[in-house]
Amino acid sequence: GAVVSQHPSWVICKSGTSVKIECRSLDFQATTMFWYRQFPKQSLMLMATSNEGSKATYEQGVEKDKFLINHASLTLSTLTVTSAHPEDSSFYICSARASSGTETQYFGPGTRLLVL
Amino acid sequence: GNSVTQMEGPVTLSEEAFLTINCTYTATGYPSLFWYVQYPGEGLQLLLKATKADDKGSNKGFEATYRKETTSFHLEKGSVQVSDSAVYFCALTTNTGTASKLTFGTGTRLQVTL
Repeated sequence: GAVVSQHPSWVICKSGTSVKIECRSLDFQATTMFWYRQFPKQSLMLMATSNEGSKATYEQGVEKDKFLINHASLTLSTLTVTSAHPEDSSFYICSARASSGTETQYFGPGTRLLVL
Repeated sequence: GNSVTQMEGPVTLSEEAFLTINCTYTATGYPSLFWYVQYPGEGLQLLLKATKADDKGSNKGFEATYRKETTSFHLEKGSVQVSDSAVYFCALTTNTGTASKLTFGTGTRLQVTL
């Protein structure tokens, strides 16, 4: 149980285009989903926290107009990288938490984005 | 604020060797502590956790004990295998309402050789 999927697993796009990444909880309802960014050989950096049906809370330094997050249902959250540039190339990972009071986050396999 | 400090890697061991990866933390309140593992090309998987002082988390031969007095949560395994080669992340979370954020250490790469 507690499986989280991400789609696509990798994507290559041209500079200036937008890319949407989906995060789904397959066998549980996720009240809260998190989006992280991981640079090579570094730790995960939290970008934003989203609760179903409300606006995402972004970490300091993360541009909310560039990284659009939508958490429209209890099993799906999307991250859209708008007007992507080469410096946005990274490994994006989502996680999901089942309900309030449950601390464990279950992570998706990640999406590797390469912006040319 | 919260922070997690892990020993720098990479750690290279021969198969069947004993493993210790050190992790210490600073946190406000009473954190829950986690070890996550990331295999090459994959996302993070929860390895084990402990939610209060003196708890021992264990899974797949790995174990870690929540030591409040030393603010540590060191990961150990008695006999590593080649398949244990991965990056290991220590993390903590403190309950702050509904937004329990994970704070990660920088990760320790383990390479096990035959």
